Order: sequence, then C-alpha cells, then structure tokens
Amino acid sequence: AQSVAQPEDQVNVAEGNPLTVKCTYSVSGNPYLFWYVQYPNRGLQFLLKYITGDNLVKGSYGFEAEFNKSQTSFHLKKPSALVSDSALYFCAVRDGAGGYQKVTFGTGTKLQVIP
Amino acid sequence: DAGVTQSPTHLIKTRGQHVTLRCSPISGHKSVSWYQQVLGQGPQFIFQYYEKEERGRGNFPDRFSARQFPNYSSELNVNALLLGDSALYLCASSLGRGQGFEKLFFGSGTQLSVL
Repeated sequence: AQSVAQPEDQVNVAEGNPLTVKCTYSVSGNPYLFWYVQYPNRGLQFLLKYITGDNLVKGSYGFEAEFNKSQTSFHLKKPSALVSDSALYFCAVRDGAGGYQKVTFGTGTKLQVIP
Repeated sequence: DAGVTQSPTHLIKTRGQHVTLRCSPISGHKSVSWYQQVLGQGPQFIFQYYEKEERGRGNFPDRFSARQFPNYSSELNVNALLLGDSALYLCASSLGRGQGFEKLFFGSGTQLSVL
C-alpha cells in the first residue's frame, strides 16, 4: 500500500520569506513523488516530480522539493514567497512497482502568504 | 492547445439517479484517469484507462464505472447515487502509457451535488 501525509492543514508565511510545506510518504517500492497546486474552483496543476536522481528537484514558479529517503520526506520549498502563491498544495506518491497510474494524494496544505 | 475539458461543470441530482460525466483529454494523450475530491480532502483515484482498456481501479463500489472511446475521450458513470457521492470529479490525462511517473494534466472538474 502507498500513502502520503501532509501534517499541516495550513501554513502562513509573510511575503518575501522562505516557505516550506511538509510531506512524508510510505511505499513498498521506489517512490515516484509529486507536488500539485490547486487554485479555487480549478483542477490541479503539476509543480514538480521526483523519479530518480538528484535529491533536490526544481519545478514551476520557483518551487523546489527535497527528497530525503531516510526520513521518507519530500518537502516543498520556495526561497521567497509571493502573495500569488496562496493556494492549496497536494503532495502525491506512486509506488514504482506495478504498471498503472494509481496516484495517492495527501489531504492538502493551504498556503497563505501574507502581504 | 486546449487543455483537458470536462462536462458538465456543475450537476445536481437526487438520490437513486444515474449520472454520466464526460472528459476530453489533451490532444495526443492516450491515458485518462478519474479522481473524486470530497470537500476538504485530496483527490481519490477511481479509474485509469489507457488505449481504451481499464488499467487500474480504486476502492470504489461497482456503482462506479467508466469507459474510454476510440478518440480517447472518457465517460464516468455513477448509478444509484448516494448523498456521499457529492464531490468534485476530476479527469486527468497523460501523454504516455501511464506507467505512473508521468505528470497528470487535470481538467477543472465536474461539481456533483446529490440531494
């Protein structure tokens, strides 16, 4: 079974400050890890993914994420937050084993960037 | 290029009725997945189709069914609607075989309300 946990329902950060949104995962094989963002009344948009290789993954809109195998974490980060970054962020995992695309999403973290 | 399109955008049904939701993937995408997103939760995997064949099924009752057509569009059908089926139904498409490491492109969803 695969699962992902986002321990914070909401993260508040001042504009211009660095932000971190936390995610931990559990899979039986090698993980495929993703971050998606959802704006109100919209579908999800892809931010970045980790499949293999460098532990620091760079994605859209200046976001990056750090894969830590020993801590089974994949935290989302950005050096300087923008008000426009305020949205709902979902971490997702897919077990590398198997041949289909069941992606398991976390419950989401609401990011609020304060001007 | 058009993104993933879903219809209708909103739908109101009563308990016991049947509903059909439609999805058109991005041109060239052959894999379509369906997700259910209940308010305050992350999307939950329902089905994946690739080349018109079901490739994966989530933990949903048999009241939920889907199919993919030769043009790669897809329908999600739900029979005998329950109040708990009220949710945002998201369709996602991807370019390749759906091995699980591809990014998903989501539509804006169909908001289903069951009264």
